Amino acid sequence: SQTIHQWPATLVQPVGSPLSLECTVEGTSNPNLYWYRQAAGRGLQLLFYSVGIGQISSEVPQNLSASRPQDRQFILSSKKLLLSDSGFYLCAWSYRVEAFFGQGTRLTVV
Amino acid sequence: DAKTTQPNSMESNEEEPVHLPCNHSTISGTDYIHWYRQLPSQGPEYVIHGLTSNVNNRMASLAIAEDRKSSTLILHRATLRDAAVYYCILSPTWGTTGNQFYFGTGTSLTVIP
Repeated sequence: SQTIHQWPATLVQPVGSPLSLECTVEGTSNPNLYWYRQAAGRGLQLLFYSVGIGQISSEVPQNLSASRPQDRQFILSSKKLLLSDSGFYLCAWSYRVEAFFGQGTRLTVV
Repeated sequence: DAKTTQPNSMESNEEEPVHLPCNHSTISGTDYIHWYRQLPSQGPEYVIHGLTSNVNNRMASLAIAEDRKSSTLILHRATLRDAAVYYCILSPTWGTTGNQFYFGTGTSLTVIP
């Protein structure tokens, strides 16, 4: 069966510090991969999606970036965090029409 | 991205059926209708999806209007564990560009014991 791993579960980072969130998928090959962000009390915002290694599409201009160095690995990064980067970050994968989400990382920028 | 419209919130009594509506008047012929739900502090969970015909699974039923401009998620007997935010999402059929799942604000369902 397929599983998705996302870590860490919670993270507190100072403004201006770098960020690296990692997501890996097991049990499937060539999945579509996604990063979402959910601000407090808001809906989910699609940040990046990827249909293959090295192929990244950005949905919202921001100081975040994403990379896919391996088929089942998706990384969300920032060189310098802003206060507005706080939120609940979710990784997801899909095959055909169904999407599966990780448990999320709650990021607080202080 | 095709837009969906849902009520912000709904309430239901426990053990009673719940009908969650969704309007998607700009749906294209190749868009699937998906429903996901999100419990507090968790990632969204797949509930059901359909294209044209009504669909049933162990969690819920999906009723799709004949013109596909609206749909209804039906929970046959609401339990306290069904309290969540329910998202109705449109996504094109799978292809090389991938499915891009755009979430709105959803419907927050409260189940009253």
